[in-house]
Amino acid sequence: QVHLVQSGTEVKKPGASVKVSCKTSGYTFTNYYIHWVRQAPGHGLEWVGIINPTGGSTTYAQRFQGRVTMTSDTSTTTVYMDLSSLTSDDTAVYYCARVETYPDYWGQGTLVTVSS
Amino acid sequence: DIQMTQSPSTLSASVGDRVTITCRASQTISGWLAWYQQKPGKAPNLLIYEASSLESGVPSRFSGSGSGTEFTLTINSLQPDDFAIYFCQQYNSFPYTFGQGTKLESK
Repeated sequence: QVHLVQSGTEVKKPGASVKVSCKTSGYTFTNYYIHWVRQAPGHGLEWVGIINPTGGSTTYAQRFQGRVTMTSDTSTTTVYMDLSSLTSDDTAVYYCARVETYPDYWGQGTLVTVSS
Repeated sequence: DIQMTQSPSTLSASVGDRVTITCRASQTISGWLAWYQQKPGKAPNLLIYEASSLESGVPSRFSGSGSGTEFTLTINSLQPDDFAIYFCQQYNSFPYTFGQGTKLESK
């Protein structure tokens, strides 16, 4: 059974950073990319970026360039997304998802709230 | 970036109806399109991939069609569990982009 389990709710102040984890199981970790998507309250889905767990190559959406870092740990089959210089506009649920050619299995989501 | 335009934004229908949602891409994406269903507080659930392939476990009343720039999701014989929000996503090129969503509500 494929599972992606994300870390818990985060509350951060403006200007801070947040690191969200995505622990995977039930498949060969290095055979699939992981992408990250976010959803602000009451809004649609926004693609943040993607990581190849083998070697760690990444592609980020331009609007997040310079603020986001995605990493992977093959020993724990976990992927991380680090987002810095947070503002209230970053308040959202962040999802990781496994990507074959298309995203199929998704994590449960992590709510990140940015508030002073 | 490829823009994905979904219509309608809201759709009112009744149990048993047949409904269609459309997704248009700003440039050709071949057949690299997925459809998702999302319920409140839950992650998106994959319904259709490669425009017309039904994900395992998804009821056969869901179907997808299209290629190039125009795509449709059809739900035959709506069931009470189908009232939700539906999104399309292109995965032809980075950044992967989503339609704005269609809220399917009970009439």
